[in-house]
Amino acid sequence: GQNIDQPTEMTATEGAIVQINCTYQTSGFNGLFWYQQHAGEAPTFLSYNVLDGLEEKGRFSSFLSRSKGYSYLLLKELQMKDSASYLCAVRDALTDSNYQLIWGAGTKLIIKP
Amino acid sequence: ETGVTQTPRHLVMGMTNKKSLKCEQHLGHNAMYWYKQSAKKPLELMFVYSLEERVENNSVPSRFSPECPNSSHLFLHLHTLQPEDSALYLCASSQSSAGRGHQPQHFGDGTRLSIL
Repeated sequence: GQNIDQPTEMTATEGAIVQINCTYQTSGFNGLFWYQQHAGEAPTFLSYNVLDGLEEKGRFSSFLSRSKGYSYLLLKELQMKDSASYLCAVRDALTDSNYQLIWGAGTKLIIKP
Repeated sequence: ETGVTQTPRHLVMGMTNKKSLKCEQHLGHNAMYWYKQSAKKPLELMFVYSLEERVENNSVPSRFSPECPNSSHLFLHLHTLQPEDSALYLCASSQSSAGRGHQPQHFGDGTRLSIL
């Protein structure tokens, strides 16, 4: 079946680095998204990976290995405002749909001073 | 300016009430979505409209009825809901592309729905 796994919760210290992992099992693969969601707010788009390797955007980087069904989101120089949930979502190519994403349950990241 | 606006932000209703959730997008997108978000569960896609035509309907109970009068507005009509329907309902929009573009979905802040 279709499945995405992420840790439920992680804790890190302000100024440090944290890596949030996401593993997926899907019938096909056509891209992986990371979103950030602060409590009570909308999920906001962070990154997109479709080819293997690392995509860097400022303090945030996202990595993909298609052969391993694995991605991670790397957050550097953590700030208190990075406390949020981080959602991993995969587009399954076999649905041939531009709309249908398979979502993980999200990882709640807690930043401590 | 928020690209996707949802109203109301909070809604408490009884099981016999009828209410509607509203979503408006100001991004010029041509696809709109309704999701249900429950605590510690993945987002559940409920409905998708592309160019005002419904293209996905993921086995959602008939007590939820979507309406898309134009590409900028989306409604979710609620009738005779159950306590398990209490959740955050998120609206999203995107620019659909033929094939497999990577256009991200843009979300509203959601409506927190509580069924008494």
